[in-house]
Amino acid sequence: DQQVKQNSPSLSVQEGRISILNCDYTNSMFDYFLWYKKYPAEGPTFLISISSIKDKNEDGRFTVFLNKSAKHLSLHIVPSQPGDSAVYFCAASGGGSQGNLIFGKGTKLSVKP
Amino acid sequence: GAGVSQSPSNKVTEKGKDVELRCDPISGHTALYWYRQSLGQGLEFLIYFQGNSAPDKSGLPSDRFSAERTGGSVSTLTIQRTQQEDSAVYLCASSLVPPGTGYNEQFFGPGTRLTVL
Repeated sequence: DQQVKQNSPSLSVQEGRISILNCDYTNSMFDYFLWYKKYPAEGPTFLISISSIKDKNEDGRFTVFLNKSAKHLSLHIVPSQPGDSAVYFCAASGGGSQGNLIFGKGTKLSVKP
Repeated sequence: GAGVSQSPSNKVTEKGKDVELRCDPISGHTALYWYRQSLGQGLEFLIYFQGNSAPDKSGLPSDRFSAERTGGSVSTLTIQRTQQEDSAVYLCASSLVPPGTGYNEQFFGPGTRLTVL
């Protein structure tokens, strides 16, 4: 049973517009949430994280929002750029998962010029 | 070394053969993780090493899978009697911050693509 879910396998956005990637989780004991970005034939690279005690974290064009009551987080990218085209993974830590991260299946973002 | 390295980058093997995948973590990182990503799936946790503690093997899918970490650095993931369903990208990651002390940013290697014919 998946503890971290990314229900949209793909998303297409026009350059300059906002990209919103969504993630839902089931384990209320998770204490950190992270977003990773993955290009083909490369390993995932860390993008941004948020502690469960926060509801927003911003880093340049990237903002992550956490809604604990809904067990939902989202990643906003604005403005979107063609170089943002990649697969984005939502991940969670804590909640009995020891040191490993629990990943969603990913959302493939395509930013069209 | 700047990042996590893995070898080989690609491995094609026949069903029933054993394979070894290698991971060189970032120097000084105390924690090392193995994940795999099957086609269309997310990253699936396999095994985790933290310092000198006994590894967390809870993610290993069968007893054909094993891993070791020598000298707290390099790790080898071994798959015995490979099956076609073992075909996946095997990713290694390392982290500096021990779990329980803060968020767990993991740095990933490029992966080994394993194909079992």
